[in-house]
Amino acid sequence: IQLTQSPSLLSASVGDRVTLSCKGSQNINNYLAWYQQKLGEAPKLLIYKTNSLQTGIPSRFSGSGSGTDYTLTISSLHSEDLATYYCYQYNNGWTFGGGTKLELK
Amino acid sequence: EVQLVESGGGLVQPGSSLKLSCVASGFTFSSYNMHWIRQAPKKGLEWIALIYYDSSNKYYADSVKGRFTISRDNSKNTLYLEMNSLRSEDTAMYYCAKGGYGSGYYFDYWGQGVMVTVSS
Repeated sequence: IQLTQSPSLLSASVGDRVTLSCKGSQNINNYLAWYQQKLGEAPKLLIYKTNSLQTGIPSRFSGSGSGTDYTLTISSLHSEDLATYYCYQYNNGWTFGGGTKLELK
Repeated sequence: EVQLVESGGGLVQPGSSLKLSCVASGFTFSSYNMHWIRQAPKKGLEWIALIYYDSSNKYYADSVKGRFTISRDNSKNTLYLEMNSLRSEDTAMYYCAKGGYGSGYYFDYWGQGVMVTVSS
């Protein structure tokens, strides 16, 4: 399964509601996770199984979707959220999307 | 606190071999699937290998199948990645990661990574 993330680069302001998209080439059956990677750091799990929030992750992060289309939403952008976000499917094999880099406008 | 500490990286020549290690602590290592994931410089993430908690199953990305071998020693809380016939395209940061609850097919904790550079 191939994953396509859009946009590849997103400029937003602190306080904005931000939506990142991830589309699979086949049905992912909700086996979709989201990772955040800040510059120079290892990735961190935000969301697993489409909408389950990992322990310790702020509630402004949420996930949704079904079938082939999934979304990560940040309800109110904080400056510390600037990072690259990757979706990852584990329904059929194990595949990452190409990433969305979130920068300050 | 879950900790994963990779080691064994370095600069090697094309065609050579290298073995990475990942020492785990803070959880019952023998109960969880483990993964290796890599990231080429300024590129995205690439999953490369999975080993079940009891070593009963191992899976590899096509890009490394036949050249890399994942293994684990539950008595030492250690995960390994043996890399043979290394190519320049294997140059990357290599991360070990703990499988999450349930299937263990996603990862809930990552190490800080170890750099492997393949160059003559």
